[in-house]
Amino acid sequence: KQEVTQIPAALSVPEGENLVLNCSFTDSAIYNLQWFRQDPGKGLTSLLLIQSSQREQTSGRLNASLDKSSGRSTLYIAASQPGDSATYLCAVPNQAGTALIFGKGTTLSVSS
Amino acid sequence: GAGVSQSPSNKVTEKGKDVELRCDPISGHTALYWYRQRLGQGLEFLIYFQGNSAPDKSGLPSDRFSAERTGESVSTLTIQRTQQEDSAVYLCASSLALGSNEKLFFGSGTQLSVL
Repeated sequence: KQEVTQIPAALSVPEGENLVLNCSFTDSAIYNLQWFRQDPGKGLTSLLLIQSSQREQTSGRLNASLDKSSGRSTLYIAASQPGDSATYLCAVPNQAGTALIFGKGTTLSVSS
Repeated sequence: GAGVSQSPSNKVTEKGKDVELRCDPISGHTALYWYRQRLGQGLEFLIYFQGNSAPDKSGLPSDRFSAERTGESVSTLTIQRTQQEDSAVYLCASSLALGSNEKLFFGSGTQLSVL
């Protein structure tokens, strides 16, 4: 059974810092991995989707990498801003491809 | 529509009552998902629709929970005889197709409180 783990559970940084969020998964037979952002009281917004054939994806200040063989992904946020404060979740498809399995997320707080 | 729409945004009910939660997916999205998020917890998968059929309902926690989808569009999640442990945010998501490298788009959720 696929399990997704995110470390750390919470992170506080001053504005301007570069930071890395970690995601690990137990079953490496995935065809993609997605990173989402969740703001309090709101739904999730998909940030990046990495296909299994890719090693990384970039969008603005965000860069996500995927190492399938080791069951790991990282989300790199450059030059963090207070507006980046949110919970970041990673998710991978289940074996049947009928659902995404989510980690519990990393709650990021960026202070000005 | 422009995004996934869920209604109501908040629902307060008494223990034992039935509730219906509604989801309007993005037009043209054949795949629709329901998730539950309890306070401080991760997302729990409930059910997946492809078109109007539900090939995976393995996440429904009990027979008090049911869902349907009509017209390959709107979906309703029904919880009968609600219990306090049903209190959570219920999130709906849609995507273009199953098993594709398509992003999932989520609604803002329905906050359900069972008193």
